[in-house]
Amino acid sequence: DIVMTQTPLSLSVTPGQPASISCKSSQSLLHSDGKTYLYWYLQKPGQSPQLLIYEVSNRFSGVPDRFSGSGSGTDFTLKISRVEAEDVGVYYCMQSIQPYTFGQGTKLEIK
Amino acid sequence: QVQLQESGPGLVKPSGTLSLTCAVSGGSISSSNWWSWVRQPPGKGLEWIGEIYHSGSTNYNPSLKSRVTISVDKSKNQFSLKLSSVTAADTAVYYCARAIHCTNGVCSSYWYFDLWGRGTLVTVSS
Repeated sequence: DIVMTQTPLSLSVTPGQPASISCKSSQSLLHSDGKTYLYWYLQKPGQSPQLLIYEVSNRFSGVPDRFSGSGSGTDFTLKISRVEAEDVGVYYCMQSIQPYTFGQGTKLEIK
Repeated sequence: QVQLQESGPGLVKPSGTLSLTCAVSGGSISSSNWWSWVRQPPGKGLEWIGEIYHSGSTNYNPSLKSRVTISVDKSKNQFSLKLSSVTAADTAVYYCARAIHCTNGVCSSYWYFDLWGRGTLVTVSS
């Protein structure tokens, strides 16, 4: 199975400041079709996960443009340009080359 | 708008079988989607259990494969999970989720979860 490793495991951010989360995969997520199968989810407190970013850098429907994803191969980053109070929760990266696997999660809290 | 709702016993005895159902509303389970189960032990991360297509094709996480059965009931627009020989380590919130592979008319080789149920806590205890 592909192992997903996130850093940091927690971060505390002042509203309006940027935040960045790293995700590394144990194998390349680049497929022969040219696409890279890396996703980002946010699980807000008491809720189920919600999709933020698909295939590295594509924002899902309704996701604010302060969220952006980047990376290639085995190294990926989720950035929040200006953190807002509603962004608190646990962020997970996920790869979808079978079987699906998730990172350990990064807990974002507001200072 | 498609919604998913998990249901089933919240308490299962050790060595017993965990059984859950996910009802799909606002859409058809026979649409071009895979339907998955994902679990989350209290305070921990997410683990994919397995998936089913409306045709009955399944894929399972190798780590759980020997104990998992996922089935579909198209007449009831729902799919189900059975996990046998449970232990305390199987205590978790169980989510059902829908996987897609096309967005904005562009389709990909692999699938990802765009819709989740609210989850249901299953505790394994005597």
